[in-house]
Amino acid sequence: SQKIEQNSEALNIQEGKTATLTCNYTNYSPAYLQWYRQDPGRGPVFLLLIRENEKEKRKERLKVTFDTTLKQSLFHITASQPADSATYLCALDGYSSASKIIFGSGTRLSIRP
Amino acid sequence: SAVISQKPSRDICQRGTSLTIQCQVDSQVTMMFWYRQQPGQSLTLIATANQGSEATYESGFVIDKFPISRPNLTFSTLTVSNMSPEDSSIYLCSVEATGTDTDTQYFGPGTRLTVL
Repeated sequence: SQKIEQNSEALNIQEGKTATLTCNYTNYSPAYLQWYRQDPGRGPVFLLLIRENEKEKRKERLKVTFDTTLKQSLFHITASQPADSATYLCALDGYSSASKIIFGSGTRLSIRP
Repeated sequence: SAVISQKPSRDICQRGTSLTIQCQVDSQVTMMFWYRQQPGQSLTLIATANQGSEATYESGFVIDKFPISRPNLTFSTLTVSNMSPEDSSIYLCSVEATGTDTDTQYFGPGTRLTVL
């Protein structure tokens, strides 16, 4: 069955460093991969989408890579700040309009001052 | 972008009772989605609600337990029926974004349900 794996343990990073989160998937060939941020008690907020034919995408301090051979996406936050502390979810979507978005369980990121 | 509100934001309910969660969107959308997120878990899609037709339920979810209404293009309700402690979870509604990134979703703030 389709499976998404994200770092189950929390990631603790010193402020100013680059945080790197990993999303691995199996038994799936997604057309798109998305990253969302979720704060406690809030719904997920969309951050970035990368398509299967894109290797890398950037938005301000965020960078996402997508390796369809390794079946992996890396999510980087450069110059991390305490305000970046949250849970980050990756999600996969297929080609057709009937395909469902599948979410990973998320990685909790803490940026310490 | 779409702005989504949910009511209630949280509730504590007794076993055997039912709770209806409301979801309001500030624009007309074709599909609305209802998810459940249990503590430490990923989001699990319960059903997709289209206006004018019955909701489509995912495996493991049935209409008798989670009846859904979709009376118009901006509103939907999810009822959690005959609740048990296992239903304690966060329930989220979402809509698809329109425009270039049509495969992204906007989520409501969620309803935190605790069943005693």
